[in-house]
Amino acid sequence: GAVVSQHPSRVICKSGTSVKIECRSLDFQATTMFWYRQFPKQSLMLMATSNEGSKATYEQGVEKDKFLINHASLTLSTLTVTSAHPEDSSFYICSATVAGGPETQYFGPGTRLLVL
Amino acid sequence: DAKTTQPNSMESNEEEPVHLPCNHSTISGTDYIHWYRQLPSQGPEYVIHGLTSNVNNRMASLAIAEDRKSSTLILHRATLRDAAVYYCILRDRTGNQFYFGTGTSLTVIP
Repeated sequence: GAVVSQHPSRVICKSGTSVKIECRSLDFQATTMFWYRQFPKQSLMLMATSNEGSKATYEQGVEKDKFLINHASLTLSTLTVTSAHPEDSSFYICSATVAGGPETQYFGPGTRLLVL
Repeated sequence: DAKTTQPNSMESNEEEPVHLPCNHSTISGTDYIHWYRQLPSQGPEYVIHGLTSNVNNRMASLAIAEDRKSSTLILHRATLRDAAVYYCILRDRTGNQFYFGTGTSLTVIP
């Protein structure tokens, strides 16, 4: 149980375009989802916390107008990288916590974004 | 803000126990200690977590110091599949955010 999926697993786009990444909890309801970014050989950096039905809370230094997060249901959160540039190329990972469950976060497999 | 300190790397021989240390001297009474591991190009995988008492599960054991300022993840018998980056994370009981530190890269030698 507690499986989180992400789509797509990898994406290549041209500079200036927008890319949407989906994060789904497959077998549980997630009141809270998180988005992380990880550059090569670095640790995960928390970007934002997403609660179902409310606006996301962004970490300091993360541009909310560039990284749009929507959490419309208890099983789906989306991250849209708007006007992507090469420096946005990274590994994006989402996670979710089980509504009313234990404190663990369940992570998705990640999405590799390459902006040309 | 990451509140944990771990060695950057460790090595272990296959089929031997591995003790991965973590210092968290500023831990508060409401912080849970979580351990995750990450294989290359994959999302982190939950390993174990605890608050005050030692914990055991099928993957590992977690030994928590009496003052809670440090903890040790114990892999009882390392296999090649255990080679990964191991992260020790503190999670506040009132919030849900995880702030990852640099982790320990574990190499298992056949």
